[in-house]
Amino acid sequence: DSGVTQTPKHLITATGQRVTLRCSPRSGDLSVYWYQQSLDQGLQFLIQYYNGEERAKGNILERFSAQQFPDLHSELNLSSLELGDSALYFCASSVEGRVNTEAFFGQGTRLTVV
Amino acid sequence: GDSVTQMEGPVTLSEEAFLTINCTYTATGYPSLFWYVQYPGEGLQLLLKATKADDKGSNKGFEATYRKETTSFHLEKGSVQVSDSAVYFCALQNRGGTSYGKLTFGQGTILTVHP
Repeated sequence: DSGVTQTPKHLITATGQRVTLRCSPRSGDLSVYWYQQSLDQGLQFLIQYYNGEERAKGNILERFSAQQFPDLHSELNLSSLELGDSALYFCASSVEGRVNTEAFFGQGTRLTVV
Repeated sequence: GDSVTQMEGPVTLSEEAFLTINCTYTATGYPSLFWYVQYPGEGLQLLLKATKADDKGSNKGFEATYRKETTSFHLEKGSVQVSDSAVYFCALQNRGGTSYGKLTFGQGTILTVHP
């Protein structure tokens, strides 16, 4: 158990809908990362938050947004969903958002868009 | 930009066979290098890492050496077990610019070990 909790584990929704994925980082970790794992794109970095502030952005679509709350949990919001958004979404956390600080991954949320 | 290339899979081996999974990288700065493992139905776990040239990371019988001259970080294990069956990801973490600890992953290599 990595200590990173993601909910829900599975989500099935229809095209055009909006969903929210939730991540609780390890106790004491200030940084949260979101990654998308899909068959065609592999594992891609989406966005990083550190202590409530956005720190780095990757290949995140405009239809997607995220935030980190004062209690350090994070939510990834996906809207106007398309079939191609079906993927496994991972959250990871680390003590600091810097190089050489180990990132611990949650078990992921599997999103299926039908 | 940064990128990681892993050998194409899947890889199928018999128990006690020797394993090599090739990984090469392209990075603008001087990255740290990692191998992560993903067991079925689970998240990624750090297997080993190396932060500078010629460093050797090792864990659970797996090893990888940071080769700056060939921009490589190949994963090896002398004798695989059925329990090593998983997906293996090579990744880099760049020190420069605004990377702030994000990981760039290879495409993953599926390893299946038969008894």
